[in-house]
Amino acid sequence: DSGVTQTPKHLITATGQRVTLRCSPRSGDLSVYWYQQSLDQGLQFLIQYYNGEERAKGNILERFSAQQFPDLHSELNLSSLELGDSALYFCASSLQRIDTQYFGPGTRLTVL
Amino acid sequence: GESVGLHLPTLSVQEGDNSIINCAYSNSASDYFIWYKQESGKGPQFIIDIRSNMDKRQGQRVTVLLNKTVKHLSLQIAATQPGDSAVYFCAESVVNAGNMLTFGGGTRLMVKP
Repeated sequence: DSGVTQTPKHLITATGQRVTLRCSPRSGDLSVYWYQQSLDQGLQFLIQYYNGEERAKGNILERFSAQQFPDLHSELNLSSLELGDSALYFCASSLQRIDTQYFGPGTRLTVL
Repeated sequence: GESVGLHLPTLSVQEGDNSIINCAYSNSASDYFIWYKQESGKGPQFIIDIRSNMDKRQGQRVTVLLNKTVKHLSLQIAATQPGDSAVYFCAESVVNAGNMLTFGGGTRLMVKP
């Protein structure tokens, strides 16, 4: 158990809908990262937050957004969902911005 | 690392043998490298890391080797056990450029009892 928690574990929704994925980092960690794992693209970095502020962006679609709250938990919002958004979404956290990232168990999103 | 998508290379070893998993990374500016293990239905689990000022680092039953000249990383697992069966990913990052990880495509390790 990495200490990173993610909810929900599974999410099934329809195209065009909007969902919110939630992540609680390890106790004391200030940095949160979101990754997407799909069969055709592998594990890809989406976005990073550090102590409430966005720090880096990767291959994140404009339909996706995230935030980190004062209690350091983070949410990833996915809107206007498409079939191709079906994937595993992982959150990772690290103590500071340059430390080892520890991953949560992931949320499996299925868009029908 | 390069994402190679669906076709995961597979390494099959006998229980008790040593395993070597290789990874070619892509960014010559990368200065931090990590190996993760991912079991079915779980998130990537940290195994070992190495910074670019080192060429070898040892953990418990695992050793990571870094060859910056040819941009190659390897993970050696000693006395491989059935519980080591999983997909192994290497990842690279440029620490001061945000530390976002770029993952390789992964290697599936299968341990035969």
